[in-house]
Amino acid sequence: DAGITQSPRHKVTETGTPVTLRCHQTENHRYMYWYRQDPGHGLRLIHYSYGVKDTDKGEVSDGYSVSRSKTEDFLLTLESATSSQTSVYFCATLGTTLSGNTIYFGEGSWLTVV
Amino acid sequence: AQKVTQAQTEISVVEKEDVTLDCVYETRDTTYYLFWYKQPPSGELVFLIRRNSFDEQNEISGRYSWNFQKSTSSFNFTITASQVVDSAVYFCALREYSGAGSYQLTFGKGTKLSVIP
Repeated sequence: DAGITQSPRHKVTETGTPVTLRCHQTENHRYMYWYRQDPGHGLRLIHYSYGVKDTDKGEVSDGYSVSRSKTEDFLLTLESATSSQTSVYFCATLGTTLSGNTIYFGEGSWLTVV
Repeated sequence: AQKVTQAQTEISVVEKEDVTLDCVYETRDTTYYLFWYKQPPSGELVFLIRRNSFDEQNEISGRYSWNFQKSTSSFNFTITASQVVDSAVYFCALREYSGAGSYQLTFGKGTKLSVIP
């Protein structure tokens, strides 16, 4: 258990409104990630962070921005939500086990854009 | 570019049957890491196993076993004597060695396993 908390867990929003999802971790992990999960696509990386104020784009970054002002918090913002952004969003952090580095996931945030 | 293929979209088995979930990957790196995650109906993603490309030993953990074959670029997952609690979506994932890089994972599309009592 990597101590990852996502909020909100469920949200319904209207097209064109901004939305921010928050990921909070208690393990002091350096790397954090945002993925989205859609039927038929598995999980796809949106953005990731490798330190405070250090972020980079993933595979599906268009329409999303991120910020990381503290080690423990990684925010994902949908600047102007569209129906195509209806999805389940997972935050993850990179932790270390006996076998090496492993990515652990939060419980997910269900977002519906109407 | 790296790619993970899980050709089986959905599988149904009767409880106590054995089942194998296939995973085939593509990578140009000689060093890489393979993973399996489980996503039960409740939705969370649970880490199951991590495997390095230089360690081809098969691994067994209780009713779970993994068969890694570099020659066929496959990392298959077998559940022996399946149980209803094994019903879930299973994801295979790949990370290429990136030194001090991003450690990001590339996922397959998942296999939905239904175990019927």
